Amino acid sequence: AQKVTQAQTEISVVEKEDVTLDCVYETRDTTYYLFWYKQPPSGELVFLIRRNSFDEQNEISGRYSWNFQKSTSSFNFTITASQVVDSAVYFCALKPFIQGAQKLVFGQGTRLTINP
Amino acid sequence: SQTIHQWPATLVQPVGSPLSLECTVEGTSNPNLYWYRQAAGRGLQLLFYSVGIGQISSEVPQNLSASRPQDRQFILSSKKLLLSDSGFYLCAWSGVGGSQPQHFGDGTRLSIL
Repeated sequence: AQKVTQAQTEISVVEKEDVTLDCVYETRDTTYYLFWYKQPPSGELVFLIRRNSFDEQNEISGRYSWNFQKSTSSFNFTITASQVVDSAVYFCALKPFIQGAQKLVFGQGTRLTINP
Repeated sequence: SQTIHQWPATLVQPVGSPLSLECTVEGTSNPNLYWYRQAAGRGLQLLFYSVGIGQISSEVPQNLSASRPQDRQFILSSKKLLLSDSGFYLCAWSGVGGSQPQHFGDGTRLSIL
């Protein structure tokens, strides 16, 4: 069975602090993909990053960085020097690599509030 | 570039009324299409997905149905809405292939009275 757990329901920090959003996943598949999405107050989901199970290199994009550790089944997301515009609900998601089966399994999301 | 359009943005419907939400994609051919529902303060639940015209896979038994009459058009319907159908409905598309991310529309907020 596929499962994604985002244990932090809500996080609140002051602007310019660093914050890490945790994501732990469960799968029996050897090949899979992990994703992070951002849902701002307006509601649409914005794709942030995709990582495949063979690539454990960490990735940095501006103030965003992702730490993928297969040994602990985690794919954590860090925002450095947070800004008010980072306030949103963030979802981690898992997709097995099966042709024709396109199901994304989402975590419950972490609501991040950045206070000025 | 690819764009996804979803309408209406908000909808208030009485219990027992029919429903039709529409989603169209531009700038790509033969996309995979998806309907999700998000209850207030909760995660996303996949309702339907489609890999081609007329091909619909249902994930959960429910009061809703989906259709794909054209390659880039995906419709979510109900004959009689229930109170429990309230929520935020999101349409998404992806390219073919396991690694392709899903891209979401702006969503429809549906309130059932």
